[in-house]
Amino acid sequence: GAVVSQHPSRVICKSGTSVKIECRSLDFQATTMFWYRQFPKKSLMLMATSNEGSKATYEQGVEKDKFLINHASLTLSTLTVTSAHPEDSSFYICSARVASGGGGDTQYFGPGTRLTVL
Amino acid sequence: DQQVKQNSPSLSVQEGRISILNCDYTNSMFDYFLWYKKYPAEGPTFLISISSIKDKNEDGRFTVFLNKSAKHLSLHIVPSQPGDSAVYFCAARFSGTYKYIFGTGTRLKVLA
Repeated sequence: GAVVSQHPSRVICKSGTSVKIECRSLDFQATTMFWYRQFPKKSLMLMATSNEGSKATYEQGVEKDKFLINHASLTLSTLTVTSAHPEDSSFYICSARVASGGGGDTQYFGPGTRLTVL
Repeated sequence: DQQVKQNSPSLSVQEGRISILNCDYTNSMFDYFLWYKKYPAEGPTFLISISSIKDKNEDGRFTVFLNKSAKHLSLHIVPSQPGDSAVYFCAARFSGTYKYIFGTGTRLKVLA
């Protein structure tokens, strides 16, 4: 259980275009999903928290108009990188929150999307 | 300011021996901790968790220890297997939120 998929796994686009990345929870419903970005040999940086049916919460320094997040259903969140530039090239990973016992929770991650902007 | 630190960027261990991965944090408001394993170009895979009200949690070959006073947690893998070779991240959750802060990762290499 707790499988998260991401599509596409890899995308190459021209500078100035927009790219949409989908994140789906396959066998469970997720009211909360997260979007991360990972630079080479660096940690995962939380970009935003995606809440089903409401606006996403962005971390400091992340442009909400640049990285549009839509969590339209309990199994799907999308990240759209608008007017992409080479500096947006990165590995984008989503996760879905699953509550566990005792007040804890776990995030299950998708396989990631490698974005290359030419 | 890195609130969750993994000070060892890499670690090599012989197959069958114990691997100990360390993680230090600075914020006493963290109340839940996770360990993940990650292969290149893949998403992290959840391994084990621990609540701040506990000091140990065990799951098969994986045991996580938490020392709240020292703000330190460690992941023990025993016995280590070549398939355990990967980058390991610890993550800490802010109390009252769902947000996790990830450490910088430790690359484990288990030698056959």
